[in-house]
Amino acid sequence: GQQLNQSPQSMFIQEGEDVSMNCTSSSIFNTWLWYKQDPGEGPVLLIALYKAGELTSNGRLTAQFGITRKDSFLNISASIPSDVGIYFCAGFHSGGGADGLTFGKGTHLIIQP
Amino acid sequence: DTGVSQDPRHKITKRGQNVTFRCDPISEHNRLYWYRQTLGQGPEFLTYFQNEAQLEKSRLLSDRFSAERPKGSFSTLEIQRTEQGDSAMYLCASRKVNEREQYFGPGTRLTVT
Repeated sequence: GQQLNQSPQSMFIQEGEDVSMNCTSSSIFNTWLWYKQDPGEGPVLLIALYKAGELTSNGRLTAQFGITRKDSFLNISASIPSDVGIYFCAGFHSGGGADGLTFGKGTHLIIQP
Repeated sequence: DTGVSQDPRHKITKRGQNVTFRCDPISEHNRLYWYRQTLGQGPEFLTYFQNEAQLEKSRLLSDRFSAERPKGSFSTLEIQRTEQGDSAMYLCASRKVNEREQYFGPGTRLTVT
């Protein structure tokens, strides 16, 4: 199935550093969702974006809906050990017939104390 | 408000056996989704229901897979004659039809030996 291009694939950073990751698609979406998944668990929704250019924050997390509607970005400021995990972007086009989310392959965040 | 629940959390079966998984969505969520996730990949859409109607099936959903949501509440996913390639995490998600966010359950990890 189709997947989004998510980068970087993995990140090794020091505690306290800021993190940036992005997601690009060949298709236009009208919704971008960002999830975090811990080992052996289901994805947990972090942020939802609904229109091009939108910038939304959730605590130390900030995400943006790209103006082309084909990309999205997630930033984490002042990383802490519990930020470790896999971050997934997911795109969705409501009203486009297909209703399932299209996911990236994830960015694996590893934090060194 | 309880989240999406899935049962069992883990299932080990021998090749050729049938398995059935259950998903209980968040109450009042009329849309229910099934996804499959293999190691190192993002979740991939399988099928979804609106109330009891199955509205879309992915090409990933082979003839050996069947999903039901008979009363529009919980759903079951059955895999007949399991193969080693069926080993994966099976995730369930739900949402309200007039909202775009999907909320995931903890998943069922299937291992086919």
